[in-house]
Amino acid sequence: DIQMTQSPSSLSASVGDRVTITCQASQDIDNYLNWYQQKPGKAPKLLIYDASNLETGVPSRFSGRGSGTDFTFTISSLQPEDIATYYCQQYDNLPPYTFGQGTKLEIK
Amino acid sequence: QVQLVDSGGGVVQPGRSLRLSCAASGFTFTTYTMHWVRQAPGKGLEWVAGISNAGSNKYYADSVKGRFTISRDNSKNTLSLQMNSLRAEDTAVYYCARETRSGGTYFFDYWGQGTLVTVSS
Repeated sequence: DIQMTQSPSSLSASVGDRVTITCQASQDIDNYLNWYQQKPGKAPKLLIYDASNLETGVPSRFSGRGSGTDFTFTISSLQPEDIATYYCQQYDNLPPYTFGQGTKLEIK
Repeated sequence: QVQLVDSGGGVVQPGRSLRLSCAASGFTFTTYTMHWVRQAPGKGLEWVAGISNAGSNKYYADSVKGRFTISRDNSKNTLSLQMNSLRAEDTAVYYCARETRSGGTYFFDYWGQGTLVTVSS
């Protein structure tokens, strides 16, 4: 099975900061990677698919890039409503649909 | 609008069974692969099981294989998860999720609100 490793596991930043999360796959997954946002007590929400494509309705301050084994997720200017846990998910080698362990983002 | 409503959670003793349901509406249920994803308290997301649109293909995480059974009733737009031989480590919020496929792209675009399963004596 493919393992997904996210870093950092938690992150504290100020409003307006640029925030970057990384996700590393245990083997080449091309661009078969999604990013989800989960706010406390809520279901996850799809933000980015195919590593870099923004889901409809998602603010443009969110972006993703990468291919192969190394991926990044960026918030260009952190907003208070972005406080959440973010997960990457691979879909290259199925099943299982492996998620990263998550990155909890907090406001400093 | 697309809606997924999870139900069936509760408190159950180790070794007992529980059946979860997910009622789907607002889309053509019969054309989508569906999944169950769980989240233990304070932990991350774990994919549990998936079923193809017609129900002919079923997939399971190793952690639940042989104990859980995913099924669907396309006449009632309902997804189910039969959970047998439950263990304390199965305690989690269980979400149903819709998988959308576009070419070679797969993602979970709609999720239920989740239903809490607590396995405890």
